[in-house]
Amino acid sequence: KAGVTQTPRYLIKTRGQQVTLSCSPISGHRSVSWYQQTPGQGLQFLFEYFSETQRNKGNFPGRFSGRQFSNSRSEMNVSTLELGDSALYLCASSLEGESGTYSGPQETQYFGPGTRLLVL
Amino acid sequence: GNSVTQMEGPVTLSEEAFLTINCTYTATGYPSLFWYVQYPGEGLQLLLKATKADDKGSNKGFEATYRKETTSFHLEKGSVQVSDSAVYFCALSDLFKAAGNKLTFGGGTRVLVKP
Repeated sequence: KAGVTQTPRYLIKTRGQQVTLSCSPISGHRSVSWYQQTPGQGLQFLFEYFSETQRNKGNFPGRFSGRQFSNSRSEMNVSTLELGDSALYLCASSLEGESGTYSGPQETQYFGPGTRLLVL
Repeated sequence: GNSVTQMEGPVTLSEEAFLTINCTYTATGYPSLFWYVQYPGEGLQLLLKATKADDKGSNKGFEATYRKETTSFHLEKGSVQVSDSAVYFCALSDLFKAAGNKLTFGGGTRVLVKP
């Protein structure tokens, strides 16, 4: 099976612009999560989508948003970019049960290679 | 809330040395525990996991045991190679996925293995 893919791999933007990042999960995986990785803050959870619905959200401003499509592919958008948004953005997918509400241990999350965003 | 604490690096070792990276956690109940590895310029790769107390995860010579009594999940490898040079992250996930998927990570430990 192909792994999690993310596009683009590298991106350079200027302050005030907006950016859209894309993530294609492993085939059959219905949950997609996004994380931000910076040297200062480490790995921080942004949000998670399942069946086109945001199921969980981290502590990030409203400039960070996302969505999921019916084929489970996900996009995240950052509007009005700031210098501090420079980071590696990682997407992860995991397998869920049919209903998505299976009450049991979390499924393992598998990560993509990330998109490195530089804001100038 | 949940938190993960792991030893700060960098950890510098010679080839064939023994590696230990300490990881302790704070969480309600008994979360699943993971070790991920990140090689330069890449994303995170799952190294091993344990889902309940006393479980031992193992992969590629690495091992970690879920210790409920000490809330720890220390990573060990008996004989490291230069190719093990990477950043290692300890992480936990909430017990039940009804609340959605979310991993809480430690700060990462950089390991450098010299020939």
